[in-house]
Amino acid sequence: GDSVTQMEGPVTLSEEAFLTINCTYTATGYPSLFWYVQYPGEGLQLLLKATKADDKGSNKGFEATYRKETTSFHLEKGSVQVSDSAVYFCARGSGYSTLTFGKGTMLLVSP
Amino acid sequence: EPEVTQTPSHQVTQMGQEVILRCVPISNHLYFYWYRQILGQKVEFLVSFYNNEISEKSEIFDDQFSVERPDGSNFTLKIRSTKLEDSAMYFCASSDSAHYGYTFGSGTRLTVV
Repeated sequence: GDSVTQMEGPVTLSEEAFLTINCTYTATGYPSLFWYVQYPGEGLQLLLKATKADDKGSNKGFEATYRKETTSFHLEKGSVQVSDSAVYFCARGSGYSTLTFGKGTMLLVSP
Repeated sequence: EPEVTQTPSHQVTQMGQEVILRCVPISNHLYFYWYRQILGQKVEFLVSFYNNEISEKSEIFDDQFSVERPDGSNFTLKIRSTKLEDSAMYFCASSDSAHYGYTFGSGTRLTVV
C-alpha cells in the first residue's frame, strides 16, 4: 500500500543553519505531496504542497521539490530560526481525499 | 483565522467504556475527517465523512468506531468499547473540497487504562 518514509529525528541545529529533512514515498499513481508542521500544543498545519512532478512548494522560507525519478519530497530551509522548532510531517495523497503520513521528524533549533 | 475545535484536549477512560470525542469543524466546510496518532507512530487515517455519510474508511475503523454529525456544527467520533490499544492522539479535520486542503484541530489525547 501507500507509504511515506521520513528521516528519524530529532534534528538538532543552531539558528541560521541549513535544514534538510528527507522524505520518500511509494510510487503508486501520481500523488499530491505535502509537508505539515505541528508546533507544541497545536494541530497539524499545512506548510506546503506540490501536486505534480517537478513542482516546487514553498512557504515561510521552506521549500520542497516533487522528484518523481527519486520518489522524494525533501524539505529544505536556508536559515532556520528558533521559532521553527516543531515536528514536521511528510504526507502523500491516497485514495479520493485521504492522506498517508510519515512518522514525523522533530526539529530543535537552538539560539 | 477559522479553526477546528476539539474537546476535550485530554480524556482518560477505563478499558471497555464508551468514549465520544467531539469536534467543531469550520462552519462552511463540507468534508470531515478523523485521523489518529499512536505515540511514536504515524498519523493514520480513520474515516472521512461527506453529505451525512461515510465516504472512506480505513481498516482501523471497525465496528467499534462510529461517526456522527448530530447537528449543524458538531462532528463526533465514538468508540463503543475502548481497548488499551486505542490510546492515541485523535485529530479531527475539515475541508471545503475533497482535495486535501485540510484544517486540522489540536487533537484529543485519549488514554485508556
